[in-house]
Amino acid sequence: AQSVTQPDIHITVSEGASLELRCNYSYGATPYLFWYVQSPGQGLQLLLKYFSGDTLVQGIKGFEAEFKRSQSSFNLRKPSVHWSDAAEYFCAGAVVRTTDSWGKLQFGAGTQVVVTP
Amino acid sequence: GAVVSQHPSWVICKSGTSVKIECRSLDFQATTMFWYRQFPKQSLMLMATSNEGSKATYEQGVEKDKFLINHASLTLSTLTVTSAHPEDSSFYICSATAARDRVDQPQHFGDGTRLSIL
Repeated sequence: AQSVTQPDIHITVSEGASLELRCNYSYGATPYLFWYVQSPGQGLQLLLKYFSGDTLVQGIKGFEAEFKRSQSSFNLRKPSVHWSDAAEYFCAGAVVRTTDSWGKLQFGAGTQVVVTP
Repeated sequence: GAVVSQHPSWVICKSGTSVKIECRSLDFQATTMFWYRQFPKQSLMLMATSNEGSKATYEQGVEKDKFLINHASLTLSTLTVTSAHPEDSSFYICSATAARDRVDQPQHFGDGTRLSIL
């Protein structure tokens, strides 16, 4: 079955330290992959997306993600975390249908990031 | 660019009433809009997909008569929770995409509506 898995429910990181959030996917073909961030009580903001090409993707707010086909992973990283990065992070995947329209966007369970001083 | 506005952001109403939530794409034409439901500390669950001018496609287990979706224009979709009950209390989020124009367009999300049924 097509799915996206985020193994870590909760991560605590010190401000200024590096952050890596894991995401694994299970699709028959290479999916379109996304990372979204959600602040409390708000909708989702797109951090970055991967469709094809360069496997290292740069996003907003200093985030990047690397697509690794051999590991079926799309992990999100940030070299130095700021207190404002505390939020819920969702990895998502979708398969484009042959009609050039979107298939369903499937979300991982999310990873809660807590940033300590 | 790609701003999606969702209104209201928070609503409280009595059990048995109907509540309408609006989702607008402000600066692009949204050929497809999605409605999600999110329970506390959980991921988003897709409720339905709506294409402009067509009937919405509901996910399995979602009551069509309970959650009425209308996508009458390229910039507006509405979700009406009919005869709402406390179990319908949740965080509802819409998203929109201009998928028919560009296949690589991601979904852009509104800020969500917190619905509380007393």
